[in-house]
Order: sequence, then C-alpha cells, then structure tokens
Amino acid sequence: NFMLTQPHSVSESPGKTVTISCTRSSGGIASNYVQWYQQRPGSSPTTVIYEDNQRPSGVPDRFSGSIDSSSNSASLTISGLKTEDEADYYCQSYDSSSWVFGGGTTLTVL
Amino acid sequence: EVQLVESGGGVVRPGGSLRLSCAASGFTFDDYGMSWVRQVPGKGLEWVSGINWHGGDTDYADSVKGRFTISRHNAKNSLYLQMNSLTAADTALYYCARVDSGRFDPWGQGTLVTVSS
Repeated sequence: NFMLTQPHSVSESPGKTVTISCTRSSGGIASNYVQWYQQRPGSSPTTVIYEDNQRPSGVPDRFSGSIDSSSNSASLTISGLKTEDEADYYCQSYDSSSWVFGGGTTLTVL
Repeated sequence: EVQLVESGGGVVRPGGSLRLSCAASGFTFDDYGMSWVRQVPGKGLEWVSGINWHGGDTDYADSVKGRFTISRHNAKNSLYLQMNSLTAADTALYYCARVDSGRFDPWGQGTLVTVSS
C-alpha cells in the first residue's frame, strides 16, 4: 500500500490564493484518480474535486485540482480565499482494492 | 435528495461486537458501490471497508481485516458493518458513503462507536 502526505496546516489571508499538496509515496500519482474533500467543523466531508481536476456541481470555480507526475503529487488550489473556506481538506486515491486518505490539512483564513 | 443515515453506534466493551447500519434513500441503491470510513474525533479519515453494487466483492483495511464484515441488502436499501473483537483503537465516528465516479459522495452524518471498559 501507499501513503498520501499532506502538510499539516496552511494559512493565508482572504482574497489570496493557497495551494495544498498531496504527495504519493509509491506508485504513480497518475495511475489512479485523486479526490479532494472539504470538512468543516462538526460536518461530514464533501467533495470539492474528483478525478484529479473535476468540480462537482455547486463547487465554485475558485477550487481547482491538478496532478504533477514529476513530483508524484496532486494539488488543490483555492483562489480568492473566503473565510468560509476555512476547513480541513483531505486528498484521497485508490490502489489494489484499497482506498487511501491523506492525513488532512487544516486551512486557516485569517 | 440523496441521503445516507447511519445507526447502531454506541458504547461497547473491549472484545465486544456491534453492527452498524446505513439506510440509503434518494437514489438507486443497487447501482452503486458503498463504503465505510471512520474518523477518530479530532483526527483524520480512515477508509475501513468497501462493497460493490451486488455485494459479491468486498475489501477491507488491514486494520480491520478478519474482524469486520461489510454487507448490503439491496431490497432494503441498506448497508451494514458487523464489527467483532473490538478494541479501543476502533473508537471513532463511522461514516457510510456512496462510491460515485471514484469518489465518496455523499457521506452520512456518522454514528459514534466507543470501545471502553
């Protein structure tokens, strides 16, 4: 099995852009799709990006996803930060009948 | 509206058993695979188990293999997780989630399992 490593926390000011990384330990990042979930305090996770870079309906286009095979990592970028974006973000992928989550990144918008 | 509602959580002693249920509504249940994901309060997400649309293919995290059993009853639009030989490490909020285009979406509100003597 592989691991997905995320920074523990990031912070940025309203209106700015932040990028959260998710590095895969083994196997190619492009070999299986990456999803990103947002979890606000006291709530269940919701999808903000699926299949590397697809946005579900209702998710603003301020959210974007990408993968980089050279660094074997995926990224979630949030532009025009709003205080409502403050939450935990988790990346997730799949391999060999096993689903794996990253450890999560706490985004603080201050 | 697509909805998932978990139940069956509670306090159980180490070594005990518990059966979680997840009632699905608002979609054709047997069109989708389903999964259980858990979260220790204040910690990250951990995938626990998954099952395909007809129940013939199941997968488990190494941490629960041999102790937990996932199943489904399509006629009842229900997903289950039988948990045996529980330990303190199994204490968590357990979510059920629909598997849709490779993602977990949506998630239920979760049911809390506490393993304590």
